[in-house]
This record gives sequence, structure tokens and C-alpha cells, in this order.
Amino acid sequence: AQSVTQLGSHVSVSEGALVLLRCNYSSSVPPYLFWYVQYPNQGLQLLLKYTTGATLVKGINGFEAEFKKSETSFHLTKPSAHMSDAAEYFCAVSEIGKIIFGKGTRLHILP
Amino acid sequence: KAGVTQTPRYLIKTRGQQVTLSCSPISGHRSVSWYQQTPGQGLQFLFEYFSETQRNKGNFPGRFSGRQFSNSRSEMNVSTLELGDSALYLCASSPPGIAGGQDTQYFGPGTRLTVL
Repeated sequence: AQSVTQLGSHVSVSEGALVLLRCNYSSSVPPYLFWYVQYPNQGLQLLLKYTTGATLVKGINGFEAEFKKSETSFHLTKPSAHMSDAAEYFCAVSEIGKIIFGKGTRLHILP
Repeated sequence: KAGVTQTPRYLIKTRGQQVTLSCSPISGHRSVSWYQQTPGQGLQFLFEYFSETQRNKGNFPGRFSGRQFSNSRSEMNVSTLELGDSALYLCASSPPGIAGGQDTQYFGPGTRLTVL
């Protein structure tokens, strides 16, 4: 069965600093991988996804993620954090008809 | 295109009651999935409907059921509510794609259910 592990339930970074949110997955088949963001009292918004092809995926709001098969990782990065990035981020792997989510990482931006 | 809509946005019920939540997918999307989000368990898959048929089901008791109509709108029903059913219920729809349902899911804002 597929699974997702997000390292760190809370991550704090200073405004302007690098954002790095870690995600490792387990899958017996080539995975489809996603990062979603959830702002307070809202649903989930897709940041980016990896299906096939280029392993460095660019998403919205300056985020990107790199698929590393050898490390079974799909870490999310952003070069310079902004206050508006404060939210909860979910890494996910796709299975037929459903998505398996990680537990989420809450990102705090320090002024 | 209008996004996924869910009604109602907030709901308060008491134990033992039943509740029906509604989800309207993005126009043209035929797959609708439901998820339960709680602080303790995170996001858990409930079930998925495609062309009015339940295609996948998560590990929830039979009190949780759903259906999909010919216009792809979906409803979720929870009978005999328990305190632990308090959660944010999210609906997501997917565009038509290759078989296997590995398309991107687009989420609605959710229905916040509180069971007293």
C-alpha cells in the first residue's frame, strides 16, 4: 500500500529565508505525487504535481519540488518565504480513485 | 469555470441524528471523492464515485454512505451521528482522464460538521 511521511508537523522560517518541507513516500508502482496547501477555514489548493517526465516540478506561488526516486522523496522548496505562505502543507500520493495524504506540515513565517 | 461547491458550509447536529452533505463538482468532472479531516487523524479517504457508481471506498463504518447523480453532483450521508464524526468533510472532483483515477483532484471549501 502507498503511504506518505512528512517530516516535521511544524516548521518555522524567517521571512525571506528558504522554505524546505520534507516528504517521503512509499509506493509499489510509479507514483503520482502532489503538494497541496490549506489556508485556515479553506479547502485544499493544488500547489504542484509530479506525474512523469521532468523530476523538478514548478508550481504556483514560487514553490517547486523535486522527485528523487532513489530517495523516495518529493521535498517542497521555495527560495524566499513570504508572510502569506503561512499555511498547512500536505504531501500526497495518488492511488486509483483516491489520494493518500501525509499528516501535514504547518509552516510558520517569522517576521 | 466555477469551482467545487459544497453545502452547507457549517452544520451542527446532535448525537444520533443523521446528516446529508452536498457537493457539486466542477463542470465536466465525473469523478467525486470525499474526505474526512480531523486534527487527530488528518485527511482520510471516505469514498469515490464515478458515473454514479462507487468506485472506491475507504475504511469507514457503514454509517457513512454516499451517492452520485446523473449530473455528477454527489451527496454524503452519515447516520446515527457520533461525537467523533465532528470534522471537516471535503469533496474533490477530477477531470476526465485516463482510467485509474490518477488525475488531479480539485477540492471544495468543505463542510464543517459539529456533533454535540
